[in-house]
Amino acid sequence: EIVLTQSPGTLSLSPGERATLSCRASQSVSLNYLAWYQQKPGQAPRLLIYDASRRATGIPDRFSGSVSGTDFTLTISRLEPEDFAVYYCQQYGNSPATFGQGTKVEIK
Amino acid sequence: QVQLVQSGAEVKKPGASVKVSCKTSGYTFTGFYIHWVRQAPGQGLEYMGWINPHSGDTKFVQRFQGRVTMTRDTSISTAYMDLSRLKSDDTAVYYCARSPIAAAELDPWGQGTLVTVSS
Repeated sequence: EIVLTQSPGTLSLSPGERATLSCRASQSVSLNYLAWYQQKPGQAPRLLIYDASRRATGIPDRFSGSVSGTDFTLTISRLEPEDFAVYYCQQYGNSPATFGQGTKVEIK
Repeated sequence: QVQLVQSGAEVKKPGASVKVSCKTSGYTFTGFYIHWVRQAPGQGLEYMGWINPHSGDTKFVQRFQGRVTMTRDTSISTAYMDLSRLKSDDTAVYYCARSPIAAAELDPWGQGTLVTVSS
């Protein structure tokens, strides 16, 4: 199965700053079928990005996704107070689907 | 709007079984897959498998083979996940989520069901 390694484990930033989250796959992800989810304490995950770079319905355009080979990136251009949360990547191009271990974006 | 509403928290003893339900509304139940994902306390997300509500076909991650059953009742637009021979490390929040095909993003998710396994 594909192993997804997210880095860093924790990102300490201030509102208004740019956040760059990485998700590296252990092998090629078919069709770049990778999603990013945001999870806040006590809540279910929420889909942000799918197919590596497509924003889900209702997601602000400060969230963007990109891919280069097996390296996937989630960028939040300017952090808003509500963006401080844990972010997970998930690949669904190869069975079984797998998740990364998460990156926590915390207020500095 | 599309909603997935899960059953309430459960406390089970080791060796018992648990059945979690996921009642859907706002869309055609048989037109979308239902996936199950769990999250142990303070940990990340772990993918378990899916069910195709139209055909009843299922696919599970290897580590859950033989212990998990996924079913559905199309008359009430509800999917179920049964986990047997529970162990303490099955303590987790179990989520259901929808996707248009088997290999697709998960959206939306149910609110989660906490299953606690304790003697």
